[in-house]
Amino acid sequence: RKEVEQDPGPFNVPEGATVAFNCTYSNSASQSFFWYRQDCRKEPKLLMSVYSSGNEDGRFTAQLNRASQYISLLIRDSKLSDSATYLCVVNRDGATNKLIFGTGTLLAVQP
Amino acid sequence: GAGVSQSPSNKVTEKGKDVELRCDPISGHTALYWYRQSLGQGLEFLIYFQGNSAPDKSGLPSDRFSAERTGGSVSTLTIQRTQQEDSAVYLCASSLSGMITDTQYFGPGTRLTVL
Repeated sequence: RKEVEQDPGPFNVPEGATVAFNCTYSNSASQSFFWYRQDCRKEPKLLMSVYSSGNEDGRFTAQLNRASQYISLLIRDSKLSDSATYLCVVNRDGATNKLIFGTGTLLAVQP
Repeated sequence: GAGVSQSPSNKVTEKGKDVELRCDPISGHTALYWYRQSLGQGLEFLIYFQGNSAPDKSGLPSDRFSAERTGGSVSTLTIQRTQQEDSAVYLCASSLSGMITDTQYFGPGTRLTVL
């Protein structure tokens, strides 16, 4: 079983749709959680950190459930430019900044 | 300011040859990480440098892989006697320090193809 698991998709949604991605992690010692975005043949870029209380950045909302070891990302009012692979990322343990990446969820927003 | 840079952007080599990949972190960042991304796979942690501390090499897949960081800045990842399974994109990242809350900024990667 992978340390970070995501549905690979693809998620094909029309512009303006709301889409949600989920992710589970296996190491209960993980302390930091992130969503990264990776465009085709580009490097990953931090989209947002994920906090226990949940956090929002414009059209993006991230939530963390430590008890279930579950992370989610909600994108509202999808734009064509949101098309990318979304990577769920956790740190390996509470003491280091080694990141463990999920394989990513591919989102394709259609006109 | 300038981001993380890596060179070369692409490298094609023959099986059995050695390759060196270079990473220039963001100026002032003390932590540097190497990852690799194989086709259809997530990023895989390889090695981590933090300041003058001994590097964390726990992710290196074999003793053919080594890395060094000179002067606390530029890093070189060396793969000896390359194999076809080494083909991947090698990504370098840096962060201000090694704190678990620090954002890691990635370079554009080196795409390695072993024929």
